[in-house]
Amino acid sequence: GQQLNQSPQSMFIQEGEDVSMNCTSSSIFNTWLWYKQDPGEGPVLLIALYKAGELTSNGRLTAQFGITRKDSFLNISASIPSDVGIYFCAGHLLSSGSARQLTFGSGTQLTVLP
Amino acid sequence: GAVVSQHPSWVICKSGTSVKIECRSLDFQATTMFWYRQFPKQSLMLMATSNEGSKATYEQGVEKDKFLINHASLTLSTLTVTSAHPEDSSFYICSAREALREQYFGPGTRLTVT
Repeated sequence: GQQLNQSPQSMFIQEGEDVSMNCTSSSIFNTWLWYKQDPGEGPVLLIALYKAGELTSNGRLTAQFGITRKDSFLNISASIPSDVGIYFCAGHLLSSGSARQLTFGSGTQLTVLP
Repeated sequence: GAVVSQHPSWVICKSGTSVKIECRSLDFQATTMFWYRQFPKQSLMLMATSNEGSKATYEQGVEKDKFLINHASLTLSTLTVTSAHPEDSSFYICSAREALREQYFGPGTRLTVT
């Protein structure tokens, strides 16, 4: 079942505003990934995090791997219309071992208003 | 790099027929491929994991005789939905990874069964 709690479920923001979303779990992850999915498309990898405490940026996107290894957040600065889409957190559970199957969050639907 | 393609991008079939979806890694060798299905406004649900040359491992609740997966080469995996029914209508997404690197997703295939 779902082991990742992602919030918020949806967001409506004005163009230019900053956005923050996060994922939490009761289980330990050894990798955190953030994906964006546009309508009718597959998810595209935005940022990958591999170490507890790691803070990584990709343009206007910044993500952090929580110290407890049970959470991660994604920030988007100065949002633009093309940021619209569904953002998923995902990760590899420590317990998944070599199988390294991804566990997905429920997604955050982002709408950017002009 | 890390491009995954899917074919077809959408397909409509009649109830009772079979449909084959192809997933290809275009610029890397996919030692492992994954098949997901996604219903509207929901997250991705893993159906099965396949390693090249081996039988696929199906998630609990996924009928292996209905969803046939073949991963015969390092660049191609196929998913065949046999005796399709309207409830099989969904968005099917494959992903691929090389060794222990990250998963990259295909653009998805929209299946509609009438």
